[in-house]
Amino acid sequence: AQTVTQSQPEMSVQEAETVTLSCTYDTSESDYYLFWYKQPPSRQMILVIRQEAYKQQNATENRFSVNFQKAAKSFSLKISDSQLGDAAMYFCAYRSPTSGTYKYIFGTGTRLKVLA
Amino acid sequence: NAGVTQTPKFQVLKTGQSMTLQCAQDMNHNSMYWYRQDPGMGLRLIYYSASEGTTDKGEVPNGYNVSRLNKREFSLRLESAAPSQTSVYFCASSDKTKAFRAFFGQGTRLTVV
Repeated sequence: AQTVTQSQPEMSVQEAETVTLSCTYDTSESDYYLFWYKQPPSRQMILVIRQEAYKQQNATENRFSVNFQKAAKSFSLKISDSQLGDAAMYFCAYRSPTSGTYKYIFGTGTRLKVLA
Repeated sequence: NAGVTQTPKFQVLKTGQSMTLQCAQDMNHNSMYWYRQDPGMGLRLIYYSASEGTTDKGEVPNGYNVSRLNKREFSLRLESAAPSQTSVYFCASSDKTKAFRAFFGQGTRLTVV
């Protein structure tokens, strides 16, 4: 069964600095999707970034980028130039597109605090 | 552009009472999901439905039942609520048309006393 592990319950970063959130996963599949979602205090779930496993190039969305290491089953999120609005819970997620396997699995989350 | 609509937003139940959480999506997605979110536990999958007419157990199905009424609607029922079911519940949907991005409802905060 697929699992997603986020080993950092909480992280802090100074405003304008860079922070990296860790995520590892376990799967026997070769084709899958990985995601980072942000959950601010409003409880709304917001997609931050997405990575297809078959793409070797790391995904980037403005200040957010990932370090995808398929062999190591690692998928970390780097936030550059951190802003106060980045403070939130961040969830790593795994989704397999393989027919017959439709689970969408989330990690336990990392609470990010941004210090002014 | 409603996306995923989840009702109610808040609910207080007494132990032993039953209730149904409703979820509807207007994006024609095949897959729908129910999660519960507890502090330190992240989002745990209760049940999911790969397509209309099918449902499967997730990580924590005990005490819950689901119905995929049609392609749009996926409801979660608590037959006899227990204090351990106090949580925030999220419904979500996804589809390959959006590269499997998950779209979430606003969540239901359920308290069982």
